[in-house]
Amino acid sequence: GESVGLHLPTLSVQEGDNSIINCAYSNSASDYFIWYKQESGKGPQFIIDIRSNMDKRQGQRVTVLLNKTVKHLSLQIAATQPGDSAVYFCAEREGSGSARQLTFGSGTQLTVLP
Amino acid sequence: GAGVSQSPSNKVTEKGKDVELRCDPISGHTALYWYRQRLGQGLEFLIYFQGNSAPDKSGLPSDRFSAERTGESVSTLTIQRTQQEDSAVYLCASSPTVSNQPQHFGDGTRLSIL
Repeated sequence: GESVGLHLPTLSVQEGDNSIINCAYSNSASDYFIWYKQESGKGPQFIIDIRSNMDKRQGQRVTVLLNKTVKHLSLQIAATQPGDSAVYFCAEREGSGSARQLTFGSGTQLTVLP
Repeated sequence: GAGVSQSPSNKVTEKGKDVELRCDPISGHTALYWYRQRLGQGLEFLIYFQGNSAPDKSGLPSDRFSAERTGESVSTLTIQRTQQEDSAVYLCASSPTVSNQPQHFGDGTRLSIL
């Protein structure tokens, strides 16, 4: 299948600053996107999702932006906290066909500096 | 429990042995997925089950890998004649339906082949 990739493998931010994690996808048939957070030794934890009929969705301290024109997805974390340090994965799901599994990117390591 | 439960959490075995990994999905979730995550990498789809439909086995890397699921409950992933390249974390996820709902992950089984 087509791949999902991340622009930056690592990101360091100061506590209290905003974080932006980017993701490029290549499958134009994808209609559903998810961001997951994975802490060491744990499974991925759902953060926020967005459907392709939307370009922005907000949660608690997080915002996901979808730009279908350039096939770009971003996760914004406001007022980053030490507990936000983790690996963040974007994932996409193709809108048609029998393959309904998620395709994951390789992840971005977010480190929050004190 | 409230979340996806996987067992064992860790498994160390010798090359050539068979292993069986177990996943208890969230009650009521009809879709169940298995993924493999190698160290420092993203998630690689293996197989998914949706109700009583034939499973999508398109991600299984070889015929040494198989999985079963009884109805909408427990699933087992079996790896026969394990090889060192099978060392990884095996993650299970479930979701209410196969449509646009987030998958919820367990914490995985860390498999080490000696």
